[in-house]
Amino acid sequence: ETGVTQTPRHLVMGMTNKKSLKCEQHLGHNAMYWYKQSAKKPLELMFVYNFKEQTENNSVPSRFSPECPNSSHLFLHLHTLQPEDSALYLCASSQGTGDSGNTIYFGEGSWLTVV
Amino acid sequence: AQSVTQLDSQVPVFEEAPVELRCNYSSSVSVYLFWYVQYPNQGLQLLLKYLSGSTLVKGINGFEAEFNKSQTSFHLRKPSVHISDTAEYFCAVNSGGYQKVTFGTGTKLQVIP
Repeated sequence: ETGVTQTPRHLVMGMTNKKSLKCEQHLGHNAMYWYKQSAKKPLELMFVYNFKEQTENNSVPSRFSPECPNSSHLFLHLHTLQPEDSALYLCASSQGTGDSGNTIYFGEGSWLTVV
Repeated sequence: AQSVTQLDSQVPVFEEAPVELRCNYSSSVSVYLFWYVQYPNQGLQLLLKYLSGSTLVKGINGFEAEFNKSQTSFHLRKPSVHISDTAEYFCAVNSGGYQKVTFGTGTKLQVIP
């Protein structure tokens, strides 16, 4: 069983819909991340939260809106997406001690298809 | 700035043969290096990591990697692959804090029976 749980695993949404991806980590970590994985592209870091505070927004369009109510939960709210936003969205966490050698633990991902 | 290059997008290899997946990095400071594996329909899982000390790092599932500072490489090796090793492998570098991890584009390892 993974320490990082993502729901839903699969999501199909229209361009005018509003939906959310949910992530929960059971590892006691302080940092949480959203990554986007598209075919034939490097893994893209989208957002980083440390102790519930957003510390990085990697020039992500505003149609993606993250929310981190506590150190264990992370949401990605989606609205008016485009077909090119179809991808695998990975949530991850790490221990936020500032040690660069911290391992990042990933969830199994949410497959998003925008139609 | 840091970057990672995985030159091979796909590597086919026969079962029980050895394999090497190449990774080169660039960074102006000390680095931490990682290899992750992604099985179909799953997230990324840590295989091994280099933080300091011995340049030969052993990981799970019989994989190992060697840190070569002069060649700025961190190649992943396994002496004998199994069908179950079929997956995509990602090299990653971190030189600027826990959130500044850069991933390579991945190498798909296809093990042929």
